[in-house]
Amino acid sequence: ILNVEQSPQSLHVQEGDSTNFTCSFPSSNFYALHWYRWETAKSPEALFVMTLNGDEKKKGRISATLNTKEGYSYLYIKGSQPEDSATYLCAPNQAGTALIFGKGTTLSVSS
Amino acid sequence: NAGVTQTPKFQVLKTGQSMTLQCAQDMNHEYMSWYRQDPGMGLRLIHYSVGAGITDQGEVPNGYNVSRSTTEDFPLRLLSAAPSQTSVYFCASRRQSNEKLFFGSGTQLSVL
Repeated sequence: ILNVEQSPQSLHVQEGDSTNFTCSFPSSNFYALHWYRWETAKSPEALFVMTLNGDEKKKGRISATLNTKEGYSYLYIKGSQPEDSATYLCAPNQAGTALIFGKGTTLSVSS
Repeated sequence: NAGVTQTPKFQVLKTGQSMTLQCAQDMNHEYMSWYRQDPGMGLRLIHYSVGAGITDQGEVPNGYNVSRSTTEDFPLRLLSAAPSQTSVYFCASRRQSNEKLFFGSGTQLSVL
């Protein structure tokens, strides 16, 4: 079972602030790294699936980077909005197995 | 598109009762998995399947059984419900190992 660490556990920012979270994972047998956005009382939804070292993905104001050699990924949110309030989950993936999720970073954005 | 369908949405059980949570997907996905949501723990993997006839244990498999007789269906069985199994359960599927997961809407289970 993979050991996945996400930090910080929770974060509270003001509208317009930019923020970032970290996901750390074992670099051995790496296959892919997933990021999901999970709003309260809803189901998680995929943000990014990243596979290559140095990979960068962007979706609107949200972007992510990946370092497979040292085993970490960063998720950035530029100009946070109240609708960005959610728990952000990361999950590294080894080939042929299921995703093991970190405990998530819960973001709260105040207007 | 139906996607991943979970039934029931809500269920209340008494300690010791058994039941099956249903999960079906219509996307011809090979990978299916069951997670439970626990406060402060995020999503924890219960069981998963990489194809029909193949299942494996996840992080918290005790007290649960699964089977995968078809590509579409992946039911989760609670053998003898315990209060510790009170949780929200999510079923998820994906086509290949490097593709995103699609989640069902969840089943909220209470064991009294």
